[in-house]
Amino acid sequence: IAGITQAPTSQILAAGRRMTLRCTQDMRHNAMYWYRQDLGLGLRLIHYSNTAGTTGKGEVPDGYSVSRANTDDFPLTLASAVPSQTSVYFCASSESGATDTQYFGPGTRLTVL
Amino acid sequence: GQSLEQPSEVTAVEGAIVQINCTYQTSGFYGLSWYQQHDGGAPTFLSYNALDGLEETGRFSSFLSRSDSYGYLLLQELQMKDSASYFCAVRRGNNRLAFGKGNQVVVIP
Repeated sequence: IAGITQAPTSQILAAGRRMTLRCTQDMRHNAMYWYRQDLGLGLRLIHYSNTAGTTGKGEVPDGYSVSRANTDDFPLTLASAVPSQTSVYFCASSESGATDTQYFGPGTRLTVL
Repeated sequence: GQSLEQPSEVTAVEGAIVQINCTYQTSGFYGLSWYQQHDGGAPTFLSYNALDGLEETGRFSSFLSRSDSYGYLLLQELQMKDSASYFCAVRRGNNRLAFGKGNQVVVIP
């Protein structure tokens, strides 16, 4: 593994179902993030984690939850999916501190019907 | 609160220069980043300005004026591979980024 991986690549989901999007990084970065990207709206931060064991809410956290049990993994869970959660989801990571660069995973395209 | 304004699309020929502007309003400003995203791909980091002035990285340069809440990305000697969307992002506390809506650049022969 080099960088950030996300799974699945794409998923079609029935409304009301529970879904977990997986994200793993091998760069030993302290900070990780989840974004959703919708046409015309750019990237919006859902949740973030500055270090293992801590999480925070971003701009659009409702309907999503995250956990950060260790440095490498940062799963995003939709407890009961709704059609408005149809989007492309990107996971990212960065070193904490002065550096700014965020490294993005390849994304998960989620469709909720 | 915060908001970032970016124009939506620009078309330019190979070899040309394109400037993409970004104005922002936000509390807790630490710096301005630029990311590139090709269709179907992931965003990739281009540059970061924490202080006023110009940062140059090869064919790309980025500028920031904190007093004007304004920055721009300059793409020089445009190549076909530069066709992509370009996003400015305000760096806020806790290492968070707030992204603009993006600007699509189309390079034509």
